[in-house]
Amino acid sequence: DADVTQTPRNRITKTGKRIMLECSQTKGHDRMYWYRQDPGLGLRLIYYSFDVKDINKGEISDGYSVSRQAQAKFSLSLESAIPNQTALYFCATSRPPDEQFFGPGTRLTVL
Amino acid sequence: AQSVTQLGSHVSVSEGALVLLRCNYSSSVPPYLFWYVQYPNQGLQLLLKYTTGATLVKGINGFEAEFKKSETSFHLTKPSAHMSDAAEYFCAVRFSGSARQLTFGSGTQLTVLP
Repeated sequence: DADVTQTPRNRITKTGKRIMLECSQTKGHDRMYWYRQDPGLGLRLIYYSFDVKDINKGEISDGYSVSRQAQAKFSLSLESAIPNQTALYFCATSRPPDEQFFGPGTRLTVL
Repeated sequence: AQSVTQLGSHVSVSEGALVLLRCNYSSSVPPYLFWYVQYPNQGLQLLLKYTTGATLVKGINGFEAEFKKSETSFHLTKPSAHMSDAAEYFCAVRFSGSARQLTFGSGTQLTVLP
């Protein structure tokens, strides 16, 4: 069984729609992260959380929000999706000294 | 600003040839360093990491990397490429004082030619 799962794996939506991407982990890690991957840009950090009450903005948080419902669950929302949010989104968890474990990714297309 | 640079967005090697993927970072304080691999339609998988101690680090699948402080580099090598090594490789760095965030390079797509 996968340690970090993401749902959905693929999603096509329209401009202006609200979208939620979900991440669950069974690794027992406190730290969780959301990244987006774009060709030629590597991975860029959107939000990260060190525990349920600690949520922090990353490099590119504009247009996104998150919710840490429990230690094991970290959701990413796009309140009003726009085409330049089309990307591959990854959830990750970490343990000291910061080795990160990644989910399989969600491919989001905004038309 | 702290940054991670991977030279060469695409690298092609013949099967059996040496693989060399380059990573440089900008920091005067030695950071923690990581290499990840991404196979098609999959998430990232850790290949190896350097935190402290021995500067030559061995990872999975025959890969290794050497931390060179004077060159601020952490290049990834493998003596003999295999077809299954074809993937995208990312260098990642945790800079000192970065609140445990990783900064990723832009990635290098490795193609292995038969």
